[in-house]
Amino acid sequence: AQSVTQLGSHVSVSEGALVLLRCNYSSSVPPYLFWYVQYPNQGLQLLLKYTSAATLVKGINGFEAEFKKSETSFHLTKPSAHMRDAAEYFCAVSPYNNNDMRFGAGTRLTVKP
Amino acid sequence: DTEVTQTPKHLVMGMTNKKSLKCEQHMGHRAMYWYKQKAKKPPELMFVYSYEKLSINESVPSRFSPECPNSSLLNLHLHALQPEDSALYLCASSPSTSRGNTEAFFGQGTRLTVV
Repeated sequence: AQSVTQLGSHVSVSEGALVLLRCNYSSSVPPYLFWYVQYPNQGLQLLLKYTSAATLVKGINGFEAEFKKSETSFHLTKPSAHMRDAAEYFCAVSPYNNNDMRFGAGTRLTVKP
Repeated sequence: DTEVTQTPKHLVMGMTNKKSLKCEQHMGHRAMYWYKQKAKKPPELMFVYSYEKLSINESVPSRFSPECPNSSLLNLHLHALQPEDSALYLCASSPSTSRGNTEAFFGQGTRLTVV
């Protein structure tokens, strides 16, 4: 199975600061890539996805991610953090030809006032 | 309707009990999933059904038994569980078939406690 690695289990930013959450994938063939957010005691909500169309993907809540094949990366960014962005963020990967979806270890985002 | 509905939301069961978790979606998705999530850990894939057939089983112990009665329903039958099986069980569905997984929609999960 393919895999993703999220660098940094915990990221802390000030409100209004840039958010950068890192994700690298391991695959010789570009897979489908996703970012999900999870609030406490909730399911997972899709923020955005890369499915081999545009390399810069815009998602909900002001988040975006750029697919960089040369770096095997799919980092998540948001220009200005808000308190409501505090949550657990998961990067996920799925091959282009089956339904196997795997998650990274997750990054907990804390937003300081 | 873009919801995946899981019932019950919470379940406490003894190690000798038999119980079932239920999951339902009406988005016409033909792939459905069970994930297990322990506290402060990522979801771990357990089973995948594609067109009501089991396509992925991640070597899950036989005390977990999945069932997909039709394209809208997914069950997880539980029997003789251990306390370490306590976790959040997440169901998901996706519109993908053999062309890959374009996105998965998740339910809110069932919080299972085994005593």
